[in-house]
Amino acid sequence: LAKTTQPISMDSYEGQEVNITCSHNNIATNDYITWYQQFPSQGPRFIIQGYKTKVTNEVASLFIPADRKSSTLSLPRVSLSDTAVYYCLVPPGDSNYQLIWGAGTKLIIKP
Amino acid sequence: ETGVTQTPRHLVMGMTNKKSLKCEQHLGHNAMYWYKQSAKKPLELMFVYSLEERVENNSVPSRFSPECPNSSHLFLHLHTLQPEDSALYLCASSQDVGQTSYNSPLHFGNGTRLTVT
Repeated sequence: LAKTTQPISMDSYEGQEVNITCSHNNIATNDYITWYQQFPSQGPRFIIQGYKTKVTNEVASLFIPADRKSSTLSLPRVSLSDTAVYYCLVPPGDSNYQLIWGAGTKLIIKP
Repeated sequence: ETGVTQTPRHLVMGMTNKKSLKCEQHLGHNAMYWYKQSAKKPLELMFVYSLEERVENNSVPSRFSPECPNSSHLFLHLHTLQPEDSALYLCASSQDVGQTSYNSPLHFGNGTRLTVT
């Protein structure tokens, strides 16, 4: 059963690069890693998805090592508005439809 | 504009009331979902619909009744709720459902904040 582990919380400052690492030791061969961002009282928002090596879009980069047992979400030059909860998700492997949402990482950006 | 619209944004209801939550997606997706997010708890999947057919009912009490009249609309009918049902109810959609859906990102609405008094 694929499961993710990520830090409960992180602090950083405006203008810094923030890296949030997620471990997923039992990820299946064909499965992708997906990251979401959630602000208070809003639905989660898809940020980025990747399978291996590196993926970059206008919001973030996702680094995935060769063994795929972990991944790192990188947010370049964060601002106060990046304060949110970030979720790392991989398919659990035992259900056709269920994604297991953990507590995520609460990221607080300070001035 | 998220592509998934939920109404109402806030709802206060008594335990004997009947109310409905509405969700509409403008993305042409085939799958729609209801999630519950309680304070300090992870998102819990409630129901999944694929092409208007319910494919997952995650042991949800019968006081929650979903309805999917077409692939763009999803309702959650509420009846005789309990105070512990107070939560943020989120609707989501994705292009595909089933094993292929894991690599098909979810698009969420901004939810309905439900308070049961």
